[in-house]
Amino acid sequence: GENVEQHPSTLSVQEGDSAVIKCTYSDSASNYFPWYKQELGKRPQLIIDIRSNVGEKKDQRIAVTLNKTAKHFSLHITETQPEDSAVYFCAASRSGGSNYKLTFGKGTLLTVNP
Amino acid sequence: SQTIHQWPATLVQPVGSPLSLECTVEGTSNPNLYWYRQAAGRGLQLLFYSVGIGQISSEVPQNLSASRPQDRQFILSSKKLLLSDSSFYLCAWKHPGTANTGELFFGEGSRLTVL
Repeated sequence: GENVEQHPSTLSVQEGDSAVIKCTYSDSASNYFPWYKQELGKRPQLIIDIRSNVGEKKDQRIAVTLNKTAKHFSLHITETQPEDSAVYFCAASRSGGSNYKLTFGKGTLLTVNP
Repeated sequence: SQTIHQWPATLVQPVGSPLSLECTVEGTSNPNLYWYRQAAGRGLQLLFYSVGIGQISSEVPQNLSASRPQDRQFILSSKKLLLSDSSFYLCAWKHPGTANTGELFFGEGSRLTVL
């Protein structure tokens, strides 16, 4: 089955700096890569996703890049703000077969210091 | 609009007691339903998923079971809880027909402590 590795497990940055979280996946057939944000005490929510036919996607201060050859994808947050502090999860899934499930990484606790 | 309700929010149970966590979705039909477990430092682990009434797929063999007695109801159960079942459990749903893509909408979670 799919295995998703996420690094780092914790990340601390100063407000205004950039933050990068990296994930690798094992299944070369995976073609959908979402990122979820979980604020303290709240439910995970989708913040951005990318499909394998695209190398990069941006949404304001958030961007995701995908390298299919190397089987890794990354989340980039620019101009970080204290409200960006949360746990971020990457995930991967493939089409076909048991195509209803996402495999998540173990999460990255991002702390943005004011 | 669609909403997901999960209860109870917190639960403290003795070892060996039964468990029932319930999840319902409103405002949609035939959703794909999921139970995840979130342990500290271990991410979101998929336990069960369902694409229709009575259809349950298990991802991790363990002390838990799931059932879908109605289209928008998903139940996580155990006959005898173990200490290792202590965790945070999340129900989620996805629009049908989105294949492997599409957003997962999570419930607010249930914190289970087994003593």
